[in-house]
Amino acid sequence: LAKTTQPISMDSYEGQEVNITCSHNNIATNDYITWYQQFPSQGPRFIIQGYKTKVTNEVASLFIPADRKSSTLSLPRVSLSDTAVYYCLVGDPYNNAGNMLTFGGGTRLMVKP
Amino acid sequence: EPEVTQTPSHQVTQMGQEVILRCVPISNHLYFYWYRQILGQKVEFLVSFYNNEISEKSEIFDDQFSVERPDGSNFTLKIRSTKLEDSAMYFCASRVQPATGMNTEAFFGQGTRLTVV
Repeated sequence: LAKTTQPISMDSYEGQEVNITCSHNNIATNDYITWYQQFPSQGPRFIIQGYKTKVTNEVASLFIPADRKSSTLSLPRVSLSDTAVYYCLVGDPYNNAGNMLTFGGGTRLMVKP
Repeated sequence: EPEVTQTPSHQVTQMGQEVILRCVPISNHLYFYWYRQILGQKVEFLVSFYNNEISEKSEIFDDQFSVERPDGSNFTLKIRSTKLEDSAMYFCASRVQPATGMNTEAFFGQGTRLTVV
């Protein structure tokens, strides 16, 4: 599984857009990029998944450049409730019944009023 | 929305005792996982389970640990002879058989906080 590197922490203010970048230089051809969110004392929760270019859902966008060696999770207009740890994961979700989720340290996002 | 259910939410046990952590995965899911998270640290993979057998396990998952799907609905993690360092949140997760083009998200339970004293 490809190793990922993310900033340890980020601060933002309510209403701002937050972009969290993840580096995954050794991403393999069949790997997808998936982001999870974790609140204190809760299990991780899926946010978004993508393979290339741009993916958007009701909570976030995921930007993946052509070389796929990095990705950026974009959270529009964050609120206090978006304060959490955000994990970037890289792996092949289709051909592996084993561990497709190797969590790194994550990025601790603090949203301030 | 369907969810993964874990019981108990908190378990306190004495060092050396055996504990069983229980999980009810989402009913149509085929892949099951246990993860743990020591306080303040990252989420660590323990074991994955598919087709009634372990498909992958980490170095953490030694002979002290075992998993079972005893009745087609529950998925349990047994920890024998618990140690102080086993104190952590234990998360169960499950997911469907992935199909190309589908999101392959794993659904996590709320966790069991295990405290070994």
